[in-house]
Amino acid sequence: SQTIHQWPATLVQPVGSPLSLECTVEGTSNPNLYWYRQAAGRGLQLLFYSVGIGQISSEVPQNLSASRPQDRQFILSSKKLLLSDSGFYLCAWRVQGLGELFFGEGSRLTVL
Amino acid sequence: GEDVEQSLFLSVREGDSSVINCTYTDSSSTYLYWYKQEPGAGLQLLTYIFSNMDMKQDQRLTVLLNKKDKHLSLRIADTQTGDSAIYFCAAPVPNDMRFGAGTRLTVKP
Repeated sequence: SQTIHQWPATLVQPVGSPLSLECTVEGTSNPNLYWYRQAAGRGLQLLFYSVGIGQISSEVPQNLSASRPQDRQFILSSKKLLLSDSGFYLCAWRVQGLGELFFGEGSRLTVL
Repeated sequence: GEDVEQSLFLSVREGDSSVINCTYTDSSSTYLYWYKQEPGAGLQLLTYIFSNMDMKQDQRLTVLLNKKDKHLSLRIADTQTGDSAIYFCAAPVPNDMRFGAGTRLTVKP
């Protein structure tokens, strides 16, 4: 069966520090991969998606970046965090196409 | 593009039925989904309905789809305290999924 994991689960970082959140999917090949951000009390905002290794599409201009170095690995990064980067980050995958999304456990980032 | 809207809060007593409503704009969505998010966790796929169906029942969950009005609802029968969570309706679009803002369901004992 397919599983998705992301880490770390909780992160407290100072403003200006770097960020790396990692997500891996097991049990499937060539998935579509996604990074969403969920601000407190609000819906989900799509940040990045990837349809294949090295293929990244950005939905929202910001100081975050994403990379997909392997088929089932998706990384969210920042060189210098801002206060506004605080939030709950969710990684997700789906089979190519328009099927349902499967989410990881989420990573809570607090920037102080 | 697709726009999905839902009310933000719902409070019910344990044992009552809960009805969470959602409206969407793009009638070409093949499937429509309901997700559940418990505190501090990711979203869990709860149920879905194919666009050519009017109703789908799965144990305590009933999904109703009114394609004419572009209205989707999730009914939870015999609501329990463990059903307290945020519920999202969602419609797939190419390379994304449009989510509503989420309805926070509070179940009072």
